[in-house]
Amino acid sequence: SYELTQPPSVSVSPGQTASITCSGDKLGNNFGCWYQQKPGQSPVLVIYQGTKRPSGIPERFSGSNSGNTATLTISGTQPMDEADYYCQAWDSSTVVFGGGTKLTVL
Amino acid sequence: EVQLLESGGGLVQPGGSLRLSCAVSGFTFNSCAMTWVRQAPGKGLQWVSGISASGGSTYYADSVKGRFTVSRDNSKNTLYLQMNSLRGEDTAVYYCAQSQGGQPIVDPFDYWGQGTLVTVSS
Repeated sequence: SYELTQPPSVSVSPGQTASITCSGDKLGNNFGCWYQQKPGQSPVLVIYQGTKRPSGIPERFSGSNSGNTATLTISGTQPMDEADYYCQAWDSSTVVFGGGTKLTVL
Repeated sequence: EVQLLESGGGLVQPGGSLRLSCAVSGFTFNSCAMTWVRQAPGKGLQWVSGISASGGSTYYADSVKGRFTVSRDNSKNTLYLQMNSLRGEDTAVYYCAQSQGGQPIVDPFDYWGQGTLVTVSS
């Protein structure tokens, strides 16, 4: 079955740049998405089609793709960005989520 | 304002059934694909099922295929998930999500509901 691999955790200091990777065999063939989930809240779409930001998502969130790896970058990370982040892609008739990355801002 | 409101969760015994509903407002329901995603306690997101805007195409994760059925009533702006033969591993918060595009697999999940908890236990 198709899998997406994310690091379990990433730490960053306030104001610095955080990068969260997502690797999968077929990421190069389709555009992934990224969701942010804060404790006790529903997920929020922050990046779609690999690089696009929905309306209302701050410009400090950006996405990129290289080969079979997608990367979510948060520039000038703020304490409010502390959350779990999930990448998501699809393969034929199946949707797959990565295992999630806990971003700690300290 | 886009709103999605799930209901129907609760405690059910193994082997039992439950029907979840997701009432939506604030967008043109019959032009959007819809999806169910679940999250077991303390775990990550897991895609469960998707349905096209018309309801003519449905998709399921292998783990629920043959046990769960997704449907929608576009006249009532409501999405459903009929869950049969429930197992302990189905215990999770179930979210409904909307895709502004009409393709339930390809399009991103633009808006999510607040979720409803399903607990399968004797």
